Amino acid sequence: DQQVKQNSPSLSVQEGRISILNCDYTNSMFDYFLWYKKYPAEGPTFLISISSIKDKNEDGRFTVFLNKSAKHLSLHIVPSQPGDSAVYFCAASSNEKLTFGTGTRLTIIP
Amino acid sequence: DAGVIQSPRHEVTEMGQEVTLRCKPISGHNSLFWYRQTMMRGLELLIYFNNNVPIDDSGMPEDRFSAKMPNASFSTLKIQPSEPRDSAVYFCASSLSHRVLTGNTIYFGEGSWLTVV
Repeated sequence: DQQVKQNSPSLSVQEGRISILNCDYTNSMFDYFLWYKKYPAEGPTFLISISSIKDKNEDGRFTVFLNKSAKHLSLHIVPSQPGDSAVYFCAASSNEKLTFGTGTRLTIIP
Repeated sequence: DAGVIQSPRHEVTEMGQEVTLRCKPISGHNSLFWYRQTMMRGLELLIYFNNNVPIDDSGMPEDRFSAKMPNASFSTLKIQPSEPRDSAVYFCASSLSHRVLTGNTIYFGEGSWLTVV
């Protein structure tokens, strides 16, 4: 049973435009959410996070939005740059464990 | 600072053989995690240790999988016997604490690519 779902395996966005990556979760006990970015042949690296008591967290070009009632979060990247091309994993935390989604491959088109 | 170091980076083995993956966490980190990445399931937590003690191994798929952490600077994940469906990328990660708190994040190694033929 996949508790964290990323329903879009891939996404292509024009350079300069906004990239929106989505994530849904089923466990209402999750209290912290994170996004990780992964380049080929490398391990995932932390990008941005949000506590369940907030609905928005912004860090430069990256903003994460949390909608608890819908059990949905999204990552906005604006403006998108070629270096943003990577696989993005959504993760949720409860009881000291991180549960990851299946990832979305983002391709930024120059 | 050196990050999480994993070896081997790539391993190709025949079905039935024993596979041992190794990990050196970041110095000073108290928690160590083993994850497996597949296309279908994404990143799955297999097991994690806190202060060298296994805390949760509920993600270990079968008895063929075992993990040890004999000291704070070394851990192994063993598969015996290996099967083709074990083919995946195995990541080791470490953290200051197994509690995911504000500002606390998990640092991943570059992964071990396992192919069982």
